Amino acid sequence: AQTVTQSQPEMSVQEAETVTLSCTYDTSESDYYLFWYKQPPSRQMILVIRQEAYKQQNATENRFSVNFQKAAKSFSLKISDSQLGDAAMYFCAYRSSYNTDKLIFGTGTRLQVFP
Amino acid sequence: DSGVTQTPKHLITATGQRVTLRCSPRSGDLSVYWYQQSLDQGLQFLIQYYNGEERAKGNILERFSAQQFPDLHSELNLSSLELGDSALYFCASSGSGRSTDTQYFGPGTRLTVL
Repeated sequence: AQTVTQSQPEMSVQEAETVTLSCTYDTSESDYYLFWYKQPPSRQMILVIRQEAYKQQNATENRFSVNFQKAAKSFSLKISDSQLGDAAMYFCAYRSSYNTDKLIFGTGTRLQVFP
Repeated sequence: DSGVTQTPKHLITATGQRVTLRCSPRSGDLSVYWYQQSLDQGLQFLIQYYNGEERAKGNILERFSAQQFPDLHSELNLSSLELGDSALYFCASSGSGRSTDTQYFGPGTRLTVL
């Protein structure tokens, strides 16, 4: 079975600085999808970025980018120019390309942003 | 706004009771997913429906059931409620159920069982 691990329960960053959130996963599959979701205090789950495993190029969405290392099964999220509104829980999630569409989530990393 | 709606936003009930949570997917999305977020279990997949048919089942208790109606809205029924069922219940939807589709989440229903 696939698993997703987020080893950093909490992280903090100064406004305008850069922070990297870590995620590792375990799978025997070769094709899959990885996601980062943000959960602000409102509790809404908001998609931040997605990565297809067959793509070697790292995904980027404005200030958010990922470092996808398939061989190492690592999928970290980099937030550049951090803003107060980035403060939230961040969840890494895995989705198989094969027999199921369900998302498997990590335990989350709480990001604090200080002015 | 993801386009996925869930009602009610909050629900407070007593042990042993039954409740129904409702979800309307994004316009055009055929697949609906239910997830439970609790302090001790984290975010867990419960069940998926695609165009009215059950497609996948996760860690869903026998006391829980769901269905998807012809207009594609979905309901999650929770019965014989226990204190441990208190959680945030999310509905998500995606376009066709293919693995390439991204799941968009609703705002959630917070269930409190007293």
